[in-house]
Amino acid sequence: EAGVAQSPRYKIIEKRQSVAFWCNPISGHATLYWYQQILGQGPKLLIQFQNNGVVDDSQLPKDRFSAERLKGVDSTLKIQPAKLEDSAVYLCASSSAGLKRSGNTIYFGEGSWLTVV
Amino acid sequence: GENVEQHPSTLSVQEGDSAVIKCTYSDSASNYFPWYKQELGKGPQLIIDIRSNVGEKKDQRIAVTLNKTAKHFSLHITETQPEDSAVYFCAASDYKLSFGAGTTVTVRA
Repeated sequence: EAGVAQSPRYKIIEKRQSVAFWCNPISGHATLYWYQQILGQGPKLLIQFQNNGVVDDSQLPKDRFSAERLKGVDSTLKIQPAKLEDSAVYLCASSSAGLKRSGNTIYFGEGSWLTVV
Repeated sequence: GENVEQHPSTLSVQEGDSAVIKCTYSDSASNYFPWYKQELGKGPQLIIDIRSNVGEKKDQRIAVTLNKTAKHFSLHITETQPEDSAVYFCAASDYKLSFGAGTTVTVRA
């Protein structure tokens, strides 16, 4: 079974530039997550999709971050304009869980490493 | 929201010894407690999980315990091996997963 695919793996940009990350979840997984992991910390949820609808985006900095999941499969996370503090690993994850259901395994991709200089 | 605290932040053990990582959580509604292992340059990988109707679960050299009354849970790794060296994260969830800050485990040969 193919895992969660993410690209690009590494990106270096200057502050105020924009960047986009792409994610393809495990086939058949209805729920897709984007997490931000700052060095030395645990992952923090940015946004959760159920199919192509947003379940939770309470911690997404909406003035600069946006995400979409068209057709309920692939997803893109965009940052514009980037700030120095956005330097982090952006992890995409997926699960087969239904809306607001707990206890289903969340599978993570390898992450996209962003450095803002 | 849920707040998960994890201790210690770093742990160095001799190969063959045991390692214990402890976590506490704040939301009594949390009912699912997974543990993830993250190796350098990779995403977190689930190694074991426990649900609130179970007090202990074991999988080979790894075991987890849960005390819902005290709101804490622990990971135990026995007979540690060099390949156990990684960062370990605990997490707690009612429907939204909240992670601890991580424990860097180093197994000395």
